[in-house]
Amino acid sequence: DAGVIQSPRHEVTEMGQEVTLRCKPISGHDYLFWYRQTMMRGLELLIYFNNNVPIDDSGMPEDRFSAKMPNASFSTLKIQPSEPRDSAVYFCASSQRRNQPQHFGDGTRLSIL
Amino acid sequence: QQQVKQSPQSLIVQKGGISIINCAYENTAFDYFPWYQQFPGKGPALLIAIRPDVSEKKEGRFTISFNKSAKQFSLHIMDSQPGDSATYFCAASNDMRFGAGTRLTVKP
Repeated sequence: DAGVIQSPRHEVTEMGQEVTLRCKPISGHDYLFWYRQTMMRGLELLIYFNNNVPIDDSGMPEDRFSAKMPNASFSTLKIQPSEPRDSAVYFCASSQRRNQPQHFGDGTRLSIL
Repeated sequence: QQQVKQSPQSLIVQKGGISIINCAYENTAFDYFPWYQQFPGKGPALLIAIRPDVSEKKEGRFTISFNKSAKQFSLHIMDSQPGDSATYFCAASNDMRFGAGTRLTVKP
C-alpha cells in the first residue's frame, strides 16, 4: 500500500496567486481529512469528506479556501487568493471508517511570500 | 475549535524515565481517543488508541489511561528512549479534533 500521497511536497509562491494542493487517499478509505499545522495554532482540522461528500467544513478559515473530492481517489484544497498568513504545512489524511486510525501523508509545506 | 486540551506543551525526560502527557475533552459523545506521534518533516502516525469502554490499554512501552468520569486520558511512555523524542498529539472523535501537541525530548 502506497499510503496517502500529497503533492507538491513544497510550494513557494507570491501572495495573490492561486495555490492547489493535491491528495490521493489510501484505496478503500471512506474518509478524507485536510489539516493545517502551524506553530501558533497546532494541527487544525479544515474539512473532512465521507464517501466524497463534504461533512464538516467549519474549520475552513474563510472563503478563500475551498476543497473538492471529485472521486474516491483524489482531493484538492485550493487557496485563492493566497496570503502570507496561509503559510503552513497542510496535511491530508484518510481513514477506512469513522473512528478508525487516520493515515497521514507527509504534507505540503506552503510558503506565501 | 479546540475541544481537546493537552498538557504539557513540552517535556524533557531522562533516558529510562517515564513520560506522561495528559489530555482533557469536553464532549461526552466522543468515543475514540487516539494518540499520534510526529517526527520532523513527517505526518502524524497512530501510536495507540482507546475506546471509552476500557480504562487502560497497553502496547509495549506505551499505555493509555482513560478516566471517563473526569473526561481525561493520558499517555504514559515507560523506559523512555531518545528515539521517542517527537511531538505527541491526543485526539478525540467524532470529528478528530487534535490537542495542541507535546514536544517530548528524551535526554541520553
